[in-house]
Amino acid sequence: DADVTQTPRNRITKTGKRIMLECSQTKGHDRMYWYRQDPGLGLRLIYYSFDVKDINKGEISDGYSVSRQAQAKFSLSLESAIPNQTALYFCATSDSTVLYGYTFGSGTRLTVV
Amino acid sequence: AQSVTQLGSHVSVSEGALVLLRCNYSSSVPPYLFWYVQYPNQGLQLLLKYTSAATLVKGINGFEAEFKKSETSFHLTKPSAHMSDAAEYFCAVSDPGNQFYFGTGTSLTVIP
Repeated sequence: DADVTQTPRNRITKTGKRIMLECSQTKGHDRMYWYRQDPGLGLRLIYYSFDVKDINKGEISDGYSVSRQAQAKFSLSLESAIPNQTALYFCATSDSTVLYGYTFGSGTRLTVV
Repeated sequence: AQSVTQLGSHVSVSEGALVLLRCNYSSSVPPYLFWYVQYPNQGLQLLLKYTSAATLVKGINGFEAEFKKSETSFHLTKPSAHMSDAAEYFCAVSDPGNQFYFGTGTSLTVIP
């Protein structure tokens, strides 16, 4: 099994719908992150969590919300999806030192029509 | 604040030629530096990292990078490109213990 699992892998949804992307990890890491990837823009941080009771906005949090249900689970929600939220979404984890870098999931490709 | 600049969004090399992907960073403290590779339809995989030990860092698949503080650079190299190296490469910088800042990526094409 993968260390960081994202579900679903692909999703097509309609404008205005609420959608949740889920992430679970078996690394035992305290820190979890959500990024979106767009061509030419690299990875941009949406939200991050340093432990279960800690939630922080990243550089592009508008239109998104998150929930840290447990140390191993961190979900991302789009409350009312819009077409410019079409992107590849990645969940990542790290320990508190970041000495070993981030471990990434395989990504969720989201299309909003 | 930290930032990363990757020069060249697309790089093409012939199979067997030297691969050089450039990364410059800004950081107010000694940073951690990372290179990640993303193959098509996959997540990001760690290639190598610099965390204040040896300045020449060796990674997987024959890649290496050298931390040059005076030039604020962390360029990625590989002596001989292979077709399987075709991928997107991301440089990232982190203050120790804090979040990453990623570059915008460099797409590497290897020409047979």
